Amino acid sequence: EAQVTQNPRYLITVTGKKLTVTCSQNMNHEYMSWYRQDPGLGLRQIYYSMNVEVTDKGDVPEGYKVSRKEKRNFPLILESPSPNQTSLYFCASRPGGTGELFFGEGSRLTVL
Amino acid sequence: GESVGLHLPTLSVQEGDNSIINCAYSNSASDYFIWYKQESGKGPQFIIDIRSNMDKRQGQRVTVLLNKTVKHLSLQIAATQPGDSAVYFCAEISAGGTSYGKLTFGQGTILTVHP
Repeated sequence: EAQVTQNPRYLITVTGKKLTVTCSQNMNHEYMSWYRQDPGLGLRQIYYSMNVEVTDKGDVPEGYKVSRKEKRNFPLILESPSPNQTSLYFCASRPGGTGELFFGEGSRLTVL
Repeated sequence: GESVGLHLPTLSVQEGDNSIINCAYSNSASDYFIWYKQESGKGPQFIIDIRSNMDKRQGQRVTVLLNKTVKHLSLQIAATQPGDSAVYFCAEISAGGTSYGKLTFGQGTILTVHP
């Protein structure tokens, strides 16, 4: 089954404790991206990757890192999480040349 | 389910009615537009897209209209069904260079369909 898989789906952590949210897709898509979704603010792009070893900032990259060492994986790293990073995070992928993003199920992160 | 937005525009319709959801975009350089549907507790799902060289595109029960003059996009859903109840987002992609990967979403509209 074609899918985008995120882990963990739910996480409660404390300020400053490094964490990684993994994202994997099995559709051989070149493009992958991360979004956060907050009430009243909609979906905002954090980082995106056009292909392996190619990443770029979205609208809200501060406090986040990404890497794209393999085509299928695009982890989101929070080196020192803060409470303002409490949010619902979505990973997505798409083939080149289209806007048809395939989203994961979301990861609900709470930073205390 | 997850709350995806507070104070979003809302549209309530009766089952069987046609629905029109509107979206204004700000970047005149955007050349590709997409509509997504997000049901409670799920990730957004692609509905339909349109490029800036078109003004209308039809899918199954859905039509997207693009008016570049006033930077307005609309999604029309025919014979709306209870299963269409969701939050609907428009999104835009700017042409050219590294910004081609940058996707900007609108705030969303909550559609509620009453049986």
